[in-house]
Amino acid sequence: QVQLQESGPGLVKPSQTLSLTCTVSGGSITSGNYYWSWIRQPAGKGLEWIGRIYTSGRTNYNPSLKSRVTISVDTSKKQFSLKLSSVTAADTAVYYCAREYVWDTGAYYYYGLDVWGQGTTVTVSS
Amino acid sequence: DIQMTQSPSSLSASVGDRVTITCRASQSIDSYSNWYQQKPGKAPKLLIYAASSLQSGVPSRFSGSGSGTDFTLTISSLQPEDFATYYCQQSYSNRTFGQGTKVEIK
Repeated sequence: QVQLQESGPGLVKPSQTLSLTCTVSGGSITSGNYYWSWIRQPAGKGLEWIGRIYTSGRTNYNPSLKSRVTISVDTSKKQFSLKLSSVTAADTAVYYCAREYVWDTGAYYYYGLDVWGQGTTVTVSS
Repeated sequence: DIQMTQSPSSLSASVGDRVTITCRASQSIDSYSNWYQQKPGKAPKLLIYAASSLQSGVPSRFSGSGSGTDFTLTISSLQPEDFATYYCQQSYSNRTFGQGTKVEIK
């Protein structure tokens, strides 16, 4: 059974770069049926999609964060990573990594976040 | 950006009640909508994908419907473990979530 685990600093100073890694265990990271995603959730608020990466390296980012976000993948380590630059207090949140599964119906592709990490809290503060 | 607007933002219901949550997209997204359940301190869990397909392992009391701009999540008979927050999401263009609907005990 596939499991995802986020890791990285829990405290980041304003204006610095937030860096998180997600490790995939119990399954393949290179299957053609998956994208690898990051989502965040400020305390008491809703979910915000940050972006995703395919194992080819192709990425899609939330337009509101695109100028500050980089998602990368290291298939040899079965890891994918998030970098968010120039952080402010507004970036304080629980950060989740997740697998986006692709269902191929023959006519259409459908997507859903079917496996999630437990989440890691990142606080931006001096 | 495609906006997803859920209603209501919260509701109170009793065990055994039929519960319906709606989600409206700011433009047509065909059937590219999903529904998630989130309990406090936990990651979200996928319930429904492609508007009406039940994710493996999810109880059959959960169902989804809709296409275009209007989508519905229905819980046919609310169980104690269903008290949680529910989110819709569109996967048509990038990804966006609704603001959530908190289902509380009446």
